[in-house]
Order: sequence, then structure tokens, then C-alpha cells
Amino acid sequence: LAKTTQPISMDSYEGQEVNITCSHNNIATNDYITWYQQFPSQGPRFIIQGYKTKVTNEVASLFIPADRKSSTLSLPRVSLSDTAVYYCLVGVTILTGGGNKLTFGTGTQLKVEL
Amino acid sequence: EAQVTQNPRYLITVTGKKLTVTCSQNMNHEYMSWYRQDPGLGLRQIYYSMNVEVTDKGDVPEGYKVSRKEKRNFPLILESPSPNQTSLYFCASSSTRLAGRETQYFGPGTRLLVL
Repeated sequence: LAKTTQPISMDSYEGQEVNITCSHNNIATNDYITWYQQFPSQGPRFIIQGYKTKVTNEVASLFIPADRKSSTLSLPRVSLSDTAVYYCLVGVTILTGGGNKLTFGTGTQLKVEL
Repeated sequence: EAQVTQNPRYLITVTGKKLTVTCSQNMNHEYMSWYRQDPGLGLRQIYYSMNVEVTDKGDVPEGYKVSRKEKRNFPLILESPSPNQTSLYFCASSSTRLAGRETQYFGPGTRLLVL
């Protein structure tokens, strides 16, 4: 499983774009990059997943350079409700029978202020 | 609405008093698992289940039991709770069709305090 490194915390203001970068130098060829969001005392929630280049959905964009050794989660025009912990996950441990185990690091605590 | 539910959401108990935390999903997912979350240690997997009657240990199984008698339910059992099991517990489920790319759906969490 590739080790990931992301900032412990970030601060932003409402209406700004926030970019959270995750480095994963040991990413394997078959690994996908997935981001989860967790609000206090709630379960993590899937945000976005990608393999290369750029992926966009209604919540965020994910930028992955050609070497795939890093990725950037981009949140456009954040609001107070985007205050949460954001986890970057690279690859999963495939369990016997097909399930997968997610390995969460400590994540990035994003704080959005007025 | 697709969801994972857990009960109870909050629980205070005493050392040694058996308890069960229920988990149920309505998405017909094969895979279900339990995680605990502790400050500074992140989320750690306790047990998981591939399907009915198929369970296996995760990273921190000591002191816990699980069962999977029905596809939708995956209860977590603490036969003799101890204070070091005070934690925030999450149940999760996913399908197994995409070999590691599935989105996992998490429940709302159960905050347990063992005195």
C-alpha cells in the first residue's frame, strides 16, 4: 500500500478555491487515488476517485500529473460547511473474496472561515 | 435512500457488561466491515465480512466478535467491554464488483464510553 503524505491542516475563507495536495511516491501501477471527506462525529464520505489526468464531479476536481506521484483535490468556492477532514487514499488492500480494506491516514483538517 | 444505519448512536456502559452495536445496510452489498476511530490513530479496521457467514479479522480484532447471518446486518459484539474499547465506531459496506475500486458507504457512527 502506497504511503501518502498530506498537510495536517489548512485554513481558508468562504468563496475561495482550496487545493489539497497529497504525495504518494510509491503508487503502484494499478492503484487508484480516492478522496474521502469526514465531518466531526460522522462517517467518512466518498468525494472523488481518479487514475490519471483530471476528474471532475459536482463536488470537486482531482488533478493527477503524468507521473502519478502526487494528486491535488480542488474544492471550488468553499463554504463554512466544507470544514471537515479530507483523506487521500491510494490503493486498497484487496481482501480474499473481493472486498477491500481502506487505510486512512490522519488526513487534512480544512477550516473555512467567514 | 441508500444508507448504512447503526444503533445505538451513543452508549455508556461499564466494564464487563456485554453489548451489541447493530449495523444494517439497504444496498444489497456483499462486503461489510467495522472500523474504530481514535484520536491520533485514525480509522482502524476491526472485522470484515465478504458475505453471509463469511467473516475475518481486521487489524484490531481483540475483544470483539461479529456475525453475519443476513446479508443486510453485521452486528459488532463486545462480550466483556474494557475502558480501552472506548472509541468511535463506524460500520461500512460496499459491493465487491470492482476489485478494489468500490465506494465504501459509512454509517453515522456509534460513540462508546466504557467506564
